[in-house]
Amino acid sequence: EDQVTQSPEALRLQEGESSSLNCSYTVSGLRGLFWYRQDPGKGPEFLFTLYSAGEEKEKERLKATLTKKESFLHITAPKPEDSATYLCAVPAGGGNKLTFGTGTQLKVEL
Amino acid sequence: DAMVIQNPRYQVTQFGKPVTLSCSQTLNHNVMYWYQQKSSQAPKLLFHYYDKDFNNEADTPDNFQSRRPNTSFCFLDIRSPGLGDAAMYLCATSRTGTNQETQYFGPGTRLLVL
Repeated sequence: EDQVTQSPEALRLQEGESSSLNCSYTVSGLRGLFWYRQDPGKGPEFLFTLYSAGEEKEKERLKATLTKKESFLHITAPKPEDSATYLCAVPAGGGNKLTFGTGTQLKVEL
Repeated sequence: DAMVIQNPRYQVTQFGKPVTLSCSQTLNHNVMYWYQQKSSQAPKLLFHYYDKDFNNEADTPDNFQSRRPNTSFCFLDIRSPGLGDAAMYLCATSRTGTNQETQYFGPGTRLLVL
């Protein structure tokens, strides 16, 4: 069965304190790994898609990497506006369904 | 800007009173999804349309129905809402094709059942 596990569940950082979020996955035949940001009361906002081990993508202070077993979302010198829940997901089975992790709730304080 | 739009953003209904949530998209994507998300939980897929083909998840209650009259619009009908149906309902779209499975979400509709 396809599974996605995210850690930590919650993370509190000081502004400028870099860190990484983890997404471990078990899936047969990876067809992509997706990172989303979700603010309270809003829909998930697409960040990155990674397709193959070794691939990296960056956007502002965020960098996503992928290995054969896990993905990391690195946050460099975070700001309070980076506070959100970060979700990762993989396509499940042979169809369009996404299996989501339960997310990492990030809070960046001044 | 191309986007996924959901209306209303907040919906209050009474126990057992039918309610319809709407979703529209300007991305011209052929796949549309409805997810239910409860507090502090991951989104849970209810069903999706692959073009005009409806695909229901095995554990989606019969109380939930959907319509897709054209490519741009999709509706979620809850026939007899219960207190347990209070949640955020998310619409998403994607386009099939090689490396094109990214799903784009709308802002969501928060449903409150009184």
